Amino acid sequence: EDKVVQSPLSLVVHEGDTVTLNCSYEVTNFRSLLWYKQEKKAPTFLFMLTSSGIEKKSGRLSSILDKKELFSILNITATQTGDSAIYLCAVEGTYKYIFGTGTRLKVLA
Amino acid sequence: DTAVSQTPKYLVTQMGNDKSIKCEQNLGHDTMYWYKQDSKKFLKIMFSYNNKELIINETVPNRFSPKSPDKAHLNLHINSLELGDSAVYFCASSQNYGMGEQFFGPGTRLTVL
Repeated sequence: EDKVVQSPLSLVVHEGDTVTLNCSYEVTNFRSLLWYKQEKKAPTFLFMLTSSGIEKKSGRLSSILDKKELFSILNITATQTGDSAIYLCAVEGTYKYIFGTGTRLKVLA
Repeated sequence: DTAVSQTPKYLVTQMGNDKSIKCEQNLGHDTMYWYKQDSKKFLKIMFSYNNKELIINETVPNRFSPKSPDKAHLNLHINSLELGDSAVYFCASSQNYGMGEQFFGPGTRLTVL
């Protein structure tokens, strides 16, 4: 059965800290891995990864995929209170996206 | 301009009732989806449609019936509502399968009393 596992489930850090969120997967016919940020409402897109070893970067956020070991990490440097959210990892398989349970990040001032 | 819109945003109803949620996307995408997000924030796919055709039905009870009158709309009708149906339902769209990013609607919070 396809599955996506995220760790840790929750994390509390202080502003300025660096965090690493993990996503491992077992999905038939892998096509891509996506990261989303969910605050109060709908998930918003962060990154899509399809190739191993190529880092995607956007400001303080970066992500990389390892297709051999079947995992991805999302790094956030110099965290801010506005980074507090649930971070969702999703893997695209055959005609569907399988989501992990998410990592709930809280950044304290 | 809202890319993916859903109505209503909130729905409170009694057990046994029938209700519908509507979804529209103005992105010109070919593929649309319905997700259910439970109280633990786990997002699970229910249905996906490509060009108005049902592609995926993820073991959803047949009380749930999606309808796609055209590729910009995907509505969800739920019969005989049960307490366990209480959740947030998200509609989403993507350009096509294998095109990566999904755009999500704002969600409909359904509460069954």
